[in-house]
Amino acid sequence: AQRVTQPEKLLSVFKGAPVELKCNYSYSGSPELFWYVQYSRQRLQLLLRHISRESIKGFTADLNKGETSFHLKKPFAQEEDSAMYYCALSSSGSARQLTFGSGTQLTVLP
Amino acid sequence: DSGVTQTPKHLITATGQRVTLRCSPRSGDLSVYWYQQSLDQGLQFLIQYYNGEERAKGNILERFSAQQFPDLHSELNLSSLELGDSALYFCASSSRGAGGPGELFFGEGSRLTVL
Repeated sequence: AQRVTQPEKLLSVFKGAPVELKCNYSYSGSPELFWYVQYSRQRLQLLLRHISRESIKGFTADLNKGETSFHLKKPFAQEEDSAMYYCALSSSGSARQLTFGSGTQLTVLP
Repeated sequence: DSGVTQTPKHLITATGQRVTLRCSPRSGDLSVYWYQQSLDQGLQFLIQYYNGEERAKGNILERFSAQQFPDLHSELNLSSLELGDSALYFCASSSRGAGGPGELFFGEGSRLTVL
């Protein structure tokens, strides 16, 4: 079975400080990992995916298969980064599904 | 708006009743996913349809059922409702089917309150 764990429900940082949102997964195959974000009064939307190895809005995430982690990082947080962040895992195989973690509410303080 | 649309946005009903939630995917997307978000829980995958056929099933109760119609819209039917069914129900669509969900595009959700 696949499982995604986000250990922090709430995370607060000051503007300009580094931020790291933790995500650990449990899956025996080769996962595809994503970070989704929901800003206030907006729909849940894709932020980034590990296969793209890109930086979106200053955020990056590296897949660490040894530690089964996919932490989301940003060196200098901005107030507009305040949102709910969900880590998600897509399984391989014939019946793929996207499994979400429970989410981390990030608040960037002025 | 050619994004994912869900109706109704809000629904209040009583225990034991039956409701139907509707979802229209993005134009061109063949896959529809249903998720349930309860208090203190993340998004729980319920079921996926691809081009009218059930593709994957998650933790969907037997009291719940879904289908995808030829025009690709989908309906989630919830019956014999219990207080614990109160939740936000999200629909998402994707252009991918067998190749994995890829990027999902979400609707705004239908908030169900069971009294």
